[in-house]
Amino acid sequence: GEDVEQSLFLSVREGDSSVINCTYTDSSSTYLYWYKQEPGAGLQLLTYIFSNMDMKQDQRLTVLLNKKDKHLSLRIADTQTGDSAIYFCAESSNYQLIWGAGTKLIIKP
Amino acid sequence: GAGVSQSPSNKVTEKGKDVELRCDPISGHTALYWYRQSLGQGLEFLIYFQGNSAPDKSGLPSDRFSAERTGGSVSTLTIQRTQQEDSAVYLCASSLGLGDEQYFGPGTRLTVT
Repeated sequence: GEDVEQSLFLSVREGDSSVINCTYTDSSSTYLYWYKQEPGAGLQLLTYIFSNMDMKQDQRLTVLLNKKDKHLSLRIADTQTGDSAIYFCAESSNYQLIWGAGTKLIIKP
Repeated sequence: GAGVSQSPSNKVTEKGKDVELRCDPISGHTALYWYRQSLGQGLEFLIYFQGNSAPDKSGLPSDRFSAERTGGSVSTLTIQRTQQEDSAVYLCASSLGLGDEQYFGPGTRLTVT
């Protein structure tokens, strides 16, 4: 069945770039998403990319999609303490979202 | 309100009891989704509703789980004879149409003791 995988933790220094990686299996996915979940808060859509694109940039966020390798990444430039959260990768499949386990981004001073 | 709301925010129940979780979607959104987030795991799709169509129940983990959506708006997720493994955060989302961007509620944290 469909599966989405991502590392559970990423630790970066404040001011550095964070790169969160995700792999997926469903080649027919039309959209791939990045969601952010802050402690005690609901899920917030950060950005998404259509499957026929290979890059999307939105301010400090850059999404790269390698459709051949089924690899998605989220780069956060100039990481700040407010970026501390769990980041979920998700792919759309048959109107459902298939989710990764989430990557907890830890910011070191 | 402007967003998806869920109630209660926290629920502690004894094993074997039934619980009902409520979701109020964004007004005008025709699609409504339920997910479950267990500790240390990703989100697990449970069920979605689209308009007046029969719901897609393919993700429900057992026949103890059921959901209704009355009048195409508010939805209730019912778990009968709760088990400890049902402990999780239950998230509801809605979207304008099926496949459109999903907006999530804050979730209900269910603890079964």
